[in-house]
Amino acid sequence: AQSVTQPDIHITVSEGASLELRCNYSYGATPYLFWYVQSPGQGLQLLLKYFSGDTLVQGIKGFEAEFKRSQSSFNLRKPSVHWSDAAEYFCAVGVKSNSGYALNFGKGTSLLVTP
Amino acid sequence: NAGVTQTPKFQVLKTGQSMTLQCAQDMNHNSMYWYRQDPGMGLRLIYYSASEGTTDKGEVPNGYNVSRLNKREFSLRLESAAPSQTSVYFCASSQQGTRNTIYFGEGSWLTVV
Repeated sequence: AQSVTQPDIHITVSEGASLELRCNYSYGATPYLFWYVQSPGQGLQLLLKYFSGDTLVQGIKGFEAEFKRSQSSFNLRKPSVHWSDAAEYFCAVGVKSNSGYALNFGKGTSLLVTP
Repeated sequence: NAGVTQTPKFQVLKTGQSMTLQCAQDMNHNSMYWYRQDPGMGLRLIYYSASEGTTDKGEVPNGYNVSRLNKREFSLRLESAAPSQTSVYFCASSQQGTRNTIYFGEGSWLTVV
């Protein structure tokens, strides 16, 4: 079954430093991949998505992600982190079934930003 | 902009009680979903409805029932709540089809004691 793995449960970065959050997928064909962010006590907000085409995808809030088929990865990056980026980040893969479509999520990476 | 609205936001239940979580979306979406979120587990799909009149089980459907009342509303029912159902529940919706963004509500915090 299509799935994603986020190897890092927690990551701490200093404000202004660069960020990379890892996501590996398991799927034979080209997957539909997403990154969502969840601020404390809030729902999930879509940062970016990849379906096909250009492997470098730009999203909101200055985030980008690169699809690498050879590494089965879809890592999220940001050149300079702001304190407001502290949140939980989820990678997800689109899964089709006979009747519809849904997302399978990774277990999330919690980002802490230090001054 | 309402988007996806869930009620209640917080609820405490006793073991064995029943309750229904309500969800409504105002984006004219065909597909709706219920997920639960537990620490260290990410979000797991409970049930989904690809379109009005259809519902299907997700990864963790046991102990839950759903009703797609109309195109706007998709409710989740716990018939006999158990402590293992203590969780944060998220309703979501999207246009039907694989390339459409799924939009989430703000969550419902449920505690079963």
